[in-house]
Amino acid sequence: QVQLVESGGGVVQPGRSLRVSCAASGFRFNGYGMHWVRQAPGKGLEWVAVIGHDGTYQNYVDTVKGRFTISRDNFKNTLYLEMNSLSAEDTAVYYCARDLGKGKFFDYWGQGVLVTVSS
Amino acid sequence: EIVLTQSPATLSLSPGERATLSCRASQSVSNHLAWYQQKPGQAPRLLIYDASNRATGIAARFSGSGSGTDFTLTISSLEPEDFAIYFCQQGSSRPLTFGGGTNVEIK
Repeated sequence: QVQLVESGGGVVQPGRSLRVSCAASGFRFNGYGMHWVRQAPGKGLEWVAVIGHDGTYQNYVDTVKGRFTISRDNFKNTLYLEMNSLSAEDTAVYYCARDLGKGKFFDYWGQGVLVTVSS
Repeated sequence: EIVLTQSPATLSLSPGERATLSCRASQSVSNHLAWYQQKPGQAPRLLIYDASNRATGIAARFSGSGSGTDFTLTISSLEPEDFAIYFCQQGSSRPLTFGGGTNVEIK
């Protein structure tokens, strides 16, 4: 069965960096695009970034462009999100999600990892 | 950016009743719309994609309709496990965006 397991969250000071990971199993990882979606505490969902199946295509929401980098290692079946210059507005649960197809929707989600930006 | 507006914000119903949730887009998204269910402390779950296609394993009581700017998610007869928050999401253009959610609560 499809499994996505995030890790690497925690408390980080404003302006610092953090990398979260998502380990995938139960499907052919290198055949799917992958996304990061975040949810601030008590708020709605915000799409953050997408990466193509082979890593050659990335796209970001404007609020993280230039600060966040999505990447993947298809040998390790792992998705990453490198987050730099973090601010309180980046505090959220970060979910990795598999692309259903054509970059439009998300058919499987991880359980999420909490990133808290605070001094 | 396409803005999705969901209504109502809260829907108070009893088990067995029919739920009708609305999602309106600020511009046409054709049929590139999905619905997700989220329960407290859990990740969202895909229910409907391309406006009317049920995702794998989703019960037949969930149905979606609409195109262009106006969409509806219908739960024909609410089961106890259906009380949750429902989000719509457009896949027509980047950035992908979500509606603010409808909380379906027990009356």
